[in-house]
Amino acid sequence: IQMTQSPSSLSASVGDRVTITCRASQSISSYLNWYQQHPGKAPKLLIYAAFSLQSGVPSRFSGSGSGTDFALTISSLQPEDFATYYCQQSYTTLITFGQGTRLEIK
Amino acid sequence: EVQLVESGGGLVKPGESLRVSCVVSGFTFSNYNMIWVRQAPGKGLEWVSSISSRSSHIFYADSVEGRFSISRDNAKNSLYLQMNSLRAEDTAVYYCARVGTGYSGSDYVLYFDYWGQGTLVTVSS
Repeated sequence: IQMTQSPSSLSASVGDRVTITCRASQSISSYLNWYQQHPGKAPKLLIYAAFSLQSGVPSRFSGSGSGTDFALTISSLQPEDFATYYCQQSYTTLITFGQGTRLEIK
Repeated sequence: EVQLVESGGGLVKPGESLRVSCVVSGFTFSNYNMIWVRQAPGKGLEWVSSISSRSSHIFYADSVEGRFSISRDNAKNSLYLQMNSLRAEDTAVYYCARVGTGYSGSDYVLYFDYWGQGTLVTVSS
């Protein structure tokens, strides 16, 4: 299953609301997770099962979607949110990630 | 505190072998499935392999099938990735991660909730 994120990069300002989308090449129900990665660091789980917020993750992060189309929304960007974001499907045993969306400061 | 610590990375020549390890603490290792994920320099995340809690189910990405072997020793709280016939395109940071399970309301979804810091494997002549 191929996962396609858009945009590949995004410039935004502190306080902005941003949305990153992820499309699966076939239906994956709600088997979709989102991760955040800062340079030189390990990925961090943000959202699992399409919309469930991982413990300890700020509520400004939210996930939506099912089937083939998903979205990660950050309601009000904070300085620590500038990072790369990945979606990942676990519908099949051959796990796949999206190519990533780099969120940069405008 | 949950911790995963990888080791064993380094510089090897094409065609050579290397084994990377991941030692965990802070949770009951034998209760969890585990995975390896890699990231080539400047690139995205690529799932490499998965292993179930008792090693009964093992899966590999097509890119490493037949060359890499995942294993675990629950008595030692350790996960391993044996990498043979290494190629330049295997150069990456290798991360181990724990597999968690969450309920979406209709499905039990697997996700990766704890990650190690990664170990760099460089394949170059």
